[in-house]
Amino acid sequence: DTGVSQNPRHKITKRGQNVTFRCDPISEHNRLYWYRQTLGQGPEFLTYFQNEAQLEKSRLLSDRFSAERPKGSFSTLEIQRTEQGDSAMYLCASSFVQGGEKLFFGSGTQLSVL
Amino acid sequence: GQQLNQSPQSMFIQEGEDVSMNCTSSSIFNTWLWYKQEPGEGPVLLIALYKAGELTSNGRLTAQFGITRKDSFLNISASIPSDVGIYFCAGDDDNYGQNFVFGPGTRLSVLP
Repeated sequence: DTGVSQNPRHKITKRGQNVTFRCDPISEHNRLYWYRQTLGQGPEFLTYFQNEAQLEKSRLLSDRFSAERPKGSFSTLEIQRTEQGDSAMYLCASSFVQGGEKLFFGSGTQLSVL
Repeated sequence: GQQLNQSPQSMFIQEGEDVSMNCTSSSIFNTWLWYKQEPGEGPVLLIALYKAGELTSNGRLTAQFGITRKDSFLNISASIPSDVGIYFCAGDDDNYGQNFVFGPGTRLSVLP
């Protein structure tokens, strides 16, 4: 299976700790997106990369959040000094624009901040 | 900013019935994507639409890009128990940068 892969699937952490999530996109995809989803809501855009360049970040994204995509392949999303409000499912999606863009999502990382 | 509404919010139907749901926007969109999500999993892409008036099918699913470019519709024919899940629409208007905004979802329950 060559779909989008996210690790870990689940993360439990204590408030104030730092956490890092990894996303491996579909290999030929040049765009990579991070979304956050809370219970009962649709996914909310956080940031997106085209190759290794981070081209857009949501205005809602706290400065405790940082994302990287070195070499335009996998991406990491780090949350520093986690807060209980950070508890959510963090979703990664990748796409390749050819005749119209389609986002393919991974299974997500479920974060619980105690 | 961009905002999408989906209706109905939830629906309970009998197995074998047809289902219709829609998604509306306050602004004009250039792309519509429809997804299905099951508990604990990421959204799975069902159908992508790129032109006003476009009608696209994927098995028992049919979606249409509204003529006004401010709405989209998803129909499921002859529903089966595995259709249960939350259906999301997502749109991109190319005016707010390169990101897709999602609706709040329609929760579908199929009764045997």
